[in-house]
Amino acid sequence: GAGVSQSPRYKVAKRGQDVALRCDPISGHVSLFWYQQALGQGPEFLTYFQNEAQLDKSGLPSDRFFAERPEGSVSTLKIQRTQQEDSAVYLCASSLAGSSYNEQFFGPGTRLTVL
Amino acid sequence: AQSVTQPDIHITVSEGASLELRCNYSYGATPYLFWYVQSPGQGLQLLLKYFSGDTLVQGIKGFEAEFKRSQSSFNLRKPSVHWSDAAEYFCAVGAIDYKLSFGAGTTVTVRA
Repeated sequence: GAGVSQSPRYKVAKRGQDVALRCDPISGHVSLFWYQQALGQGPEFLTYFQNEAQLDKSGLPSDRFFAERPEGSVSTLKIQRTQQEDSAVYLCASSLAGSSYNEQFFGPGTRLTVL
Repeated sequence: AQSVTQPDIHITVSEGASLELRCNYSYGATPYLFWYVQSPGQGLQLLLKYFSGDTLVQGIKGFEAEFKRSQSSFNLRKPSVHWSDAAEYFCAVGAIDYKLSFGAGTTVTVRA
């Protein structure tokens, strides 16, 4: 199917390592979102792209988190100098346009464990 | 800022019995409301959404939800659950823009 895909599905990192998480949105979807889902919690908004422009990064927890979508398609979430509190599932979603009216389609997530 | 409360962390229901999951929201204007389901290892799937109009909304997999403005609630119901309904359910509220705020989720266990 042509859903949202994410890779890797699982990532184990030692504290202090840098990690990069990839998201392939549905083709033609203008909007792309990243969420962080801690264990036992609902997803929390991290950042939003419209095409290649990052319009909102208000949810990024620290300057160690960086996201990009250079060609308006694939996106990468990078976490530098990982900490244990970064352990979570990172979800990517895409939609046709950037409004709550448009359904966000979610990928399966990347489970990050920081040791 | 909008927020969502799901009072029940875990619900166990017998197969064939009815199910109701509670959701209360806080938002200053008319909200956009959503219910998502998440099965293990899967992404979130939209069950139904409310934007305006009829306050009883029908969704996929036999689910429905009712918007009650006076109670700031958007409870999810299913008349007869199937074993495949065992999953985690999230209520979410959105504003006119794109940002969704999710509740902490309710885990549903279905016993035979």
